Amino acid sequence: GAVVSQHPSWVICKSGTSVKIECRSLDFQATTMFWYRQFPKQSLMLMATSNEGSKATYEQGVEKDKFLINHASLTLSTLTVTSAHPEDSSFYICSAPHGRQGNTEAFFGQGTRLTVV
Amino acid sequence: QKEVEQDPGPLSVPEGAIVSLNCTYSNSAFQYFMWYRQYSRKGPELLMYTYSSGNKEDGRFTAQVDKSSKYISLFIRDSQPSDSATYLCAMLPGAGNMLTFGGGTRLMVKP
Repeated sequence: GAVVSQHPSWVICKSGTSVKIECRSLDFQATTMFWYRQFPKQSLMLMATSNEGSKATYEQGVEKDKFLINHASLTLSTLTVTSAHPEDSSFYICSAPHGRQGNTEAFFGQGTRLTVV
Repeated sequence: QKEVEQDPGPLSVPEGAIVSLNCTYSNSAFQYFMWYRQYSRKGPELLMYTYSSGNKEDGRFTAQVDKSSKYISLFIRDSQPSDSATYLCAMLPGAGNMLTFGGGTRLMVKP
């Protein structure tokens, strides 16, 4: 199947610093990518929809100034957690729908475990 | 009430058992039904998806959808320790819509 690569797979940062997470579709183009957050033993919570060439769409309750999303090309979306705090520690996952099947065939990155100390 | 309900488990079975994983939902507009497998500290992996009602089989996995009852199932035959993971159901009204996930069921297959 299609491959979505996410980097880094884990990161530890100090409180107050910013962290950038990359999501790449390796063998297909994705005009739309999705960013999720997952707490331990819980399901995925959609944070935002990343749109190539335009502004991201954020879900209710997600601070757009804190979670900056940039979709600069058809194969790359980035999520920057700005001024990170310990409560931002979580597992962040991106996904990209593949081809005409849309989200019926969405492929996920391997996730990024962020720990803010 | 959540749109998609899924028993969190954990569900513990012996190797070789038939596993039944289930989700119920409330939104009658859902047309596409997916099952994902997620290993610990990894992203979800799509196992299979089904459109509307009926069954779909892929190797040891069978997905069933009963839209009249708003109930979907994933059966795993001859379960293996490598099947130990969290299984997430997800559904959509249409291919262009957002995925709505269940909470996931943690499965443990013991050798």
